[in-house]
Amino acid sequence: GDSVTQMEGPVTLSEEAFLTINCTYTATGYPSLFWYVQYPGEGLQLLLKATKADDKGSNKGFEATYRKETTSFHLEKGSVQVSDSAVYFCALSQGGSEKLVFGKGTKLTVNP
Amino acid sequence: GAGVSQTPSNKVTEKGKYVELRCDPISGHTALYWYRQSLGQGPEFLIYFQGTGAADDSGLPNDRFFAVRPEGSVSTLKIQRTERGDSAVYLCASSYGRGVGTDTQYFGPGTRLTVL
Repeated sequence: GDSVTQMEGPVTLSEEAFLTINCTYTATGYPSLFWYVQYPGEGLQLLLKATKADDKGSNKGFEATYRKETTSFHLEKGSVQVSDSAVYFCALSQGGSEKLVFGKGTKLTVNP
Repeated sequence: GAGVSQTPSNKVTEKGKYVELRCDPISGHTALYWYRQSLGQGPEFLIYFQGTGAADDSGLPNDRFFAVRPEGSVSTLKIQRTERGDSAVYLCASSYGRGVGTDTQYFGPGTRLTVL
């Protein structure tokens, strides 16, 4: 079945460092891809998405590009802030299905 | 406006008991989803409603789990004969239901269920 694999955490960075969180997927067809974020004490919220190959999703300085050839959707940010500390989840959804399939999550801590 | 709300926020019960978890979706959202998140894992899909009907219940783990949405708004997830393995955070989400690639699923804060 469909699955998502994220890099193991936790990840600890200093403020203004470059961030990459790797995400690869296994799916039949052409899924839509998502990054969700869970800030401390808050619910899951959509960070960005891409619905077809080579699309780039972006929001709040974060970017991810849908790479069909490598079945990847890596999350990047050029300069992280303390306020980016959260758990990040990569997810996919197959066309015709409403359900999201999530990875295990990667906890990011940014120190001042 | 108000987001998705879930009650209770925490529920502690004993093995074998029956529990009900409630979800109030965002007003106007026709689609409602239940997910379960175990410790150290990502959310796992349970069931999806479009209006009053369960459009996809393929994620319900067994017949102890049941969910309803009788008026197309509030939903209740019901778990019979609870087991310790049911301990998890139960998440509810809602959307306009025009397709996951189009409409964002908005998540509630979750209900933490602990089965002793």
